[in-house]
Amino acid sequence: GAVVSQHPSWVICKSGTSVKIECRSLDFQATTMFWYRQFPKQSLMLMATSNEGSKATYEQGVEKDKFLINHASLTLSTLTVTSAHPEDSSFYICSARLGRADTGELFFGEGSRLTVL
Amino acid sequence: KQEVTQIPAALSVPEGENLVLNCSFTDSAIYNLQWFRQDPGKGLTSLLLIQSSQREQTSGRLNASLDKSSGRSTLYIAASQPGDSATYLCAVPRNFNKFYFGSGTKLNVKP
Repeated sequence: GAVVSQHPSWVICKSGTSVKIECRSLDFQATTMFWYRQFPKQSLMLMATSNEGSKATYEQGVEKDKFLINHASLTLSTLTVTSAHPEDSSFYICSARLGRADTGELFFGEGSRLTVL
Repeated sequence: KQEVTQIPAALSVPEGENLVLNCSFTDSAIYNLQWFRQDPGKGLTSLLLIQSSQREQTSGRLNASLDKSSGRSTLYIAASQPGDSATYLCAVPRNFNKFYFGSGTKLNVKP
């Protein structure tokens, strides 16, 4: 299957700092990538849809100024958690779609665990 | 609104057993259905993708079926192994850019 790489896999930062997480599709181009947040023992919560060359589409309740998403190329999307606070600590996962919008297959990164002290 | 349900929530079986995981969805107008596994602290690994026009897909010891009319999909795992222990999730697209995930079935295969 296709490979999506996410980096870093874990990060610890101080409250008030910003953290950037990268999501790369290694062997395919993805016009659309997705960012999820997962709380312990829960399923995935979609945060936003990242569109190459345009603004991201955020889900209701997700602060766009807090979670900055940039999709500057067909293989890279970044999520920046700005002015991080302990409540932002979570497991963040990205995914990219290979193929058409209606029949394409989702591939996920390995996830990034953020801990804000 | 699409609702995706997975039963059972947890399953523990001895090694070697054949087992079936269930996924049901309320809106049958789906493009496809995808099965994933998630290991603790990891991302999701795609297992099988079934298009709406297909009835089943197979990969190794895994076989997934899709019955759109009844809103059901099953994931069959043959000759289970301890390495199969993980949480299994199914997902259906809501529209082109949103997906509904089930809450998962946590599988434990005992040696």
